[in-house]
Amino acid sequence: QQQVKQSPQSLIVQKGGISIINCAYENTAFDYFPWYQQFPGKGPALLIAIRPDVSEKKEGRFTISFNKSAKQFSLHIMDSQPGDSATYFCAPSVDGNEKLTFGTGTRLTIIP
Amino acid sequence: DTAVSQTPKYLVTQMGNDKSIKCEQNLGHDTMYWYKQDSKKFLKIMFSYNNKELIINETVPNRFSPKSPDKAHLNLHINSLELGDSAVYFCASSRRESSYNSPLHFGNGTRLTVT
Repeated sequence: QQQVKQSPQSLIVQKGGISIINCAYENTAFDYFPWYQQFPGKGPALLIAIRPDVSEKKEGRFTISFNKSAKQFSLHIMDSQPGDSATYFCAPSVDGNEKLTFGTGTRLTIIP
Repeated sequence: DTAVSQTPKYLVTQMGNDKSIKCEQNLGHDTMYWYKQDSKKFLKIMFSYNNKELIINETVPNRFSPKSPDKAHLNLHINSLELGDSAVYFCASSRRESSYNSPLHFGNGTRLTVT
């Protein structure tokens, strides 16, 4: 079963542009909505996470937008930089539950 | 000063062999995990241990056997390796509390190639 759908699969954005990655989920019990960032040869690392009681969270150039009724959340990267080139995973879950369900990943490439 | 360290980083072996991957974390976490990332980058949990007790055991062939000698270590032993076992295996750790307070910390992975 496909509980988490992430799109697009790959994304190319020019330096300085806005990168947008989307995550759709089915399980209404999910209440923890993180995005992980993975560079080549490294493990994923938490980038930003949002609670379900807010619709938006911003940390520097990274923003999560959350739409509870649509069961979707998205990652926006403002002023995208070549150093942002990585694979991004959403991983919604039940808070405190050890089992994260990772999305299929989005390979982001920022071109000069 | 690596938080979650795995050894080896690369492992190339032939079909039918038995191999082990070791993982250690120095974060004081009580929960450790093994994840498998396939060639399409899809990440799937295999096992989770909390205080040396197995709490998640996904549908994984019983050729895979995790072992947690203490809270800081979780090893993965694989018997009778098959071509389909080729992947990157990630160890991770966290505290068993709110995910907001204790997200997953991943190691840098072990790339297993079975020939």
